[in-house]
Amino acid sequence: GEDVEQSLFLSVREGDSSVINCTYTDSSSTYLYWYKQEPGAGLQLLTYIFSNMDMKQDQRLTVLLNKKDKHLSLRIADTQTGDSAIYFCAESPLSGGYNKLIFGAGTRLAVHP
Amino acid sequence: EAGVAQSPRYKIIEKRQSVAFWCNPISGHATLYWYQQILGQGPKLLIQFQNNGVVDDSQLPKDRFSAERLKGVDSTLKIQPAKLEDSAVYLCASSLGQLDTDTQYFGPGTRLTVL
Repeated sequence: GEDVEQSLFLSVREGDSSVINCTYTDSSSTYLYWYKQEPGAGLQLLTYIFSNMDMKQDQRLTVLLNKKDKHLSLRIADTQTGDSAIYFCAESPLSGGYNKLIFGAGTRLAVHP
Repeated sequence: EAGVAQSPRYKIIEKRQSVAFWCNPISGHATLYWYQQILGQGPKLLIQFQNNGVVDDSQLPKDRFSAERLKGVDSTLKIQPAKLEDSAVYLCASSLGQLDTDTQYFGPGTRLTVL
């Protein structure tokens, strides 16, 4: 089946690290994605990881993938108030030869001074 | 490079009325997607086009929703008649259409309120 689960809310202090967790179900997903959504805006691609990788780092973002447990995490170092948004994890199972995205419900990150 | 364009940004209608949304994908993107995002949930795929052909419409409520992508570029999504539960943000996305790293880019969405 296809299902992506995330915790709904995370609150961190400015300057601390944030870790957003996600579990997925479809092992055929070649890539796993993290998107960011600010109020009133569409989804912005943050980063993605290929399924045969364990880790990917991109500036303040670190993605960890545990394929055995189907667990994905996004770490944001030195979290800033501008990072306050909803973060969506997505798996991309193959369907009829095409990739489609299955999103979690999103984790709302609140950054406070 | 221009992003995915959508209009209108907001729409308020009464139940049983009709509504249409328009999407212009990124130039050169073969694949176009329409998603429905209900408040507090992640986006859910309604329909996926590859050029002007439908690849996946398994989650589209076909009794009231329809979509087309003429000439493989712009697309319209229509709801007729609308129900209260159709209140949501309708997101359009596009991608190159490659089978490996096929990153989807999203438009700003159309927020629909059905009264």
